[in-house]
Amino acid sequence: NAGVTQTPKFQVLKTGQSMTLQCAQDMNHEYMSWYRQDPGMGLRLIHYSVGAGITDQGEVPNGYNVSRSTTEDFPLRLLSAAPSQTSVYFCASSYSGTYNSPLHFGNGTRLTVT
Amino acid sequence: GQSLEQPSEVTAVEGAIVQINCTYQTSGFYGLSWYQQHDGGAPTFLSYNALDGLEETGRFSSFLSRSDSYGYLLLQELQMKDSASYFCAVSRPGAAGNKLTFGGGTRVLVKP
Repeated sequence: NAGVTQTPKFQVLKTGQSMTLQCAQDMNHEYMSWYRQDPGMGLRLIHYSVGAGITDQGEVPNGYNVSRSTTEDFPLRLLSAAPSQTSVYFCASSYSGTYNSPLHFGNGTRLTVT
Repeated sequence: GQSLEQPSEVTAVEGAIVQINCTYQTSGFYGLSWYQQHDGGAPTFLSYNALDGLEETGRFSSFLSRSDSYGYLLLQELQMKDSASYFCAVSRPGAAGNKLTFGGGTRVLVKP
């Protein structure tokens, strides 16, 4: 059981480049979400989804897009990378998006924008 | 807006007890969660409180007082492997399910 899989593990981008961070889960979880974590800080919610076709913005959505076309996948798109987007990105899923259920995190993508 | 306050760092010796407090301000509230994160790793779930009171899971316990907008995580019989960062997180309603807001984290250093 792979759980939540994020790719790539590391990425370096130049300012202005675009890319997609991939996230897939094999637990048939309804809820998926993206967080960024800056050094010494907590996690900040970027976007989240409670099912295919249903997404909403979190605390820091600017510069990022998401879509949820399947239950399993929830890719995060950086439209035009900026140095301020240098961070560790975590994808997380849970069984339910409307009742409490623990978040299961992927191992993260470490992104550097130069 | 949402805000959570927790101490930035706590140091204790093996076998000791550590309490990590978390106070929060939020519009809408479903519950308070706690997550552990070792350096370089991913956060892992520890506990969740939706109602007032104490929840015990092995050496770890979590407490919530909704009227005081306050909770804490209690780590007992500290072990070296408990050296990690601990985050409280508030669940609240959103347009596409629950929204979680995390605190800044408390770094716990366990010394021999």
